[in-house]
Amino acid sequence: KAGVTQTPRYLIKTRGQQVTLSCSPISGHRSVSWYQQTPGQGLQFLFEYFSETQRNKGNFPGRFSGRQFSNSRSEMNVSTLELGDSALYLCASSPEGSGPTGEQFFGPGTRLTVL
Amino acid sequence: AQKVTQAQTEISVVEKEDVTLDCVYETRDTTYYLFWYKQPPSGELVFLIRRNSFDEQNEISGRYSWNFQKSTSSFNFTITASQVVDSAVYFCALSEARRGNEKLTFGTGTRLTIIP
Repeated sequence: KAGVTQTPRYLIKTRGQQVTLSCSPISGHRSVSWYQQTPGQGLQFLFEYFSETQRNKGNFPGRFSGRQFSNSRSEMNVSTLELGDSALYLCASSPEGSGPTGEQFFGPGTRLTVL
Repeated sequence: AQKVTQAQTEISVVEKEDVTLDCVYETRDTTYYLFWYKQPPSGELVFLIRRNSFDEQNEISGRYSWNFQKSTSSFNFTITASQVVDSAVYFCALSEARRGNEKLTFGTGTRLTIIP
């Protein structure tokens, strides 16, 4: 089985722009979670989608949003980028039902740099 | 609010030594899950173990073992006979089980370096 894939792997944007990141989960996995990893704040949970619905949400401002499609692929969007949004964004998928309470399979991440 | 503390920021040991990574957690829930993940230099987080709050049995998997003690809110991880391939950042994490609050909270990680 192919693992979790994330595109693009690297991205450079400027302040004020918006960005969309994509995640394809492992085939058959219906839960997709997103995390932000920075040197200062560490690994932080953004949100989780299951069957096209946001099921759990972390403590991030509304500039961070996401969605999930019927094929379980997920996108996350960050609007009005700030310098502090520079981070590694990780996507994780898990088998039906478990989400963040179960074993998650992580992708390689998208490295976003905001200039 | 839930919290995970990994007080050891960096550890270096010589190959074949045993090493224990500490993890202390805080939660008000009675039902929760504890995890360990490994992040090698390649960057992808790799799941190692999941333990629910009602199962305090210690677990051993090859050279890895985990000690869960609710009385001290700790979930420590021991690597026996360490190898260079064990060099990575290790994260302890906690997830509460209440619907809508199932978010994974990570510790700050412990960078483990195994010296050949």
